[in-house]
Parts: sequence; C-alpha cells; structure tokens
Amino acid sequence: EVQLVESGGGLVQPGGSRRLSCAASGITFSIYAMAWARQAPGKGLEWVSGISTGGDNTYYADTVRGRFTISRDNSKNTLYLQMNSLRVEDTAIYYCAKVWWGTAAAGSLDYWGQGTLVTVSS
Amino acid sequence: QSVLTQPPSVSGAPGQRVTISCTGSRSNIGANSDVHWYQHLPGTAPKLLIYGDSNRSSGVPDRFSGSKSGTSASLAITGLQTEDEADYYCQSYDTNLSASIFGGGTKLTVL
Repeated sequence: EVQLVESGGGLVQPGGSRRLSCAASGITFSIYAMAWARQAPGKGLEWVSGISTGGDNTYYADTVRGRFTISRDNSKNTLYLQMNSLRVEDTAIYYCAKVWWGTAAAGSLDYWGQGTLVTVSS
Repeated sequence: QSVLTQPPSVSGAPGQRVTISCTGSRSNIGANSDVHWYQHLPGTAPKLLIYGDSNRSSGVPDRFSGSKSGTSASLAITGLQTEDEADYYCQSYDTNLSASIFGGGTKLTVL
C-alpha cells in the first residue's frame, strides 16, 4: 500500500522559515518524480513545486519561486520542502504527491498524502 | 483568477450527465499539454480521475471520461450518483510559467 505522510506543519511568523517532510512507503521512491501542492483556506488547489527522480530538475510556481526549495533524499525515501520568507498568503494545507504519467513539472499526481497545515501569522 | 478557467459550480440530478469545462490558452492546453482531472472532498486527499487528457486512473468507474479540443478540455460524468458530489479540478502544464497549474475548481452538486 502506497503511503505518503507529511510532517513539519505548524504556526510560523511572517518572514519565518519552515521545512516540510514527506515520508514515502509502499513504492520504489527513487524512480518517481514527486511534487508539492497546497490549498489555502476556502481556496482551490495550487501546484507548488516538482522534482525529478534524481533531484536534478526542480520546478516552482511563480508564487513561491525564490523562497521555497524542493529536495529529496532517495536513501531515506523522503521528500522535502524548505519554505523561507513566509507570507500570510502561504497559509495552507500542504500536500505531497507522487507523479504519474509525465514529468515532474507536468505529470499527473496519483497518490497524495493527507496534508500538513502551515499557518503563517503573527 | 486562474490561468485555467472552470465554472464555479455545476449541478445535476441522480442519473443525469454533467460536463465540467476547463478553458486554457495557447501556452497550456493549446500547446498540447496533457490535462489531468481530480476529485476532491473536503478534509481528504485529492483523487486522480483522468490523466493524459482521457485515460481513467486505476479503479475509476467508466462513468467518468475526459476529452480535449483546442484550448479546452472537459470532464464528463454520466449516471450521476450522490457520492459524486465534490470539487473537481483540472491540471495542465503552462509553457510560459514552466510549471503546472490547476483550474479554479468546480463544485458539483447532485440535486
């Protein structure tokens, strides 16, 4: 059974940093591209970032480029999202997802975690 | 405002057919980027329904189908059931943004 479990969410002040983790099990993690998406309160889904199998290629939404960094550790079956210079508008449930059918930037997302809530507020 | 435009809401009676449109531009759907569709119930993880424009994901009933033409795509749901009541999102890659984008989402109400 495929499981993606996010952690690291919580309350952070504007301008602060947070690192999210996503532990994968039930899949050969190293052969799949991965991605992060989010949903702000009362809003729709937003694609945030994607990373290739080896981590060489990364992609970002304009809203987070330059502030967020996606990475992965295939030896630990773990995906990360380092979030810096956080803004109130970054408040959202953050989901990690496995890419299926396509590249890290364009692929569909066939397995999702349950999400972790990040709240940016003073 | 999303780059991919979906109607905010659609509705239908049980057993009926509904379609949800996803209108893009020459930099995404019109550039022949794949379109994917998701079903999302509040408080749960989104579920992939359709990938690569028209391929049903594993376990998805054939009541769900996807199509694409020009700069638009559509999700059709036939034989509506009460459990289909959810939010639906399209996703595609935008060549100008070099990133994926989701549509704004459509709330399906089964009357």
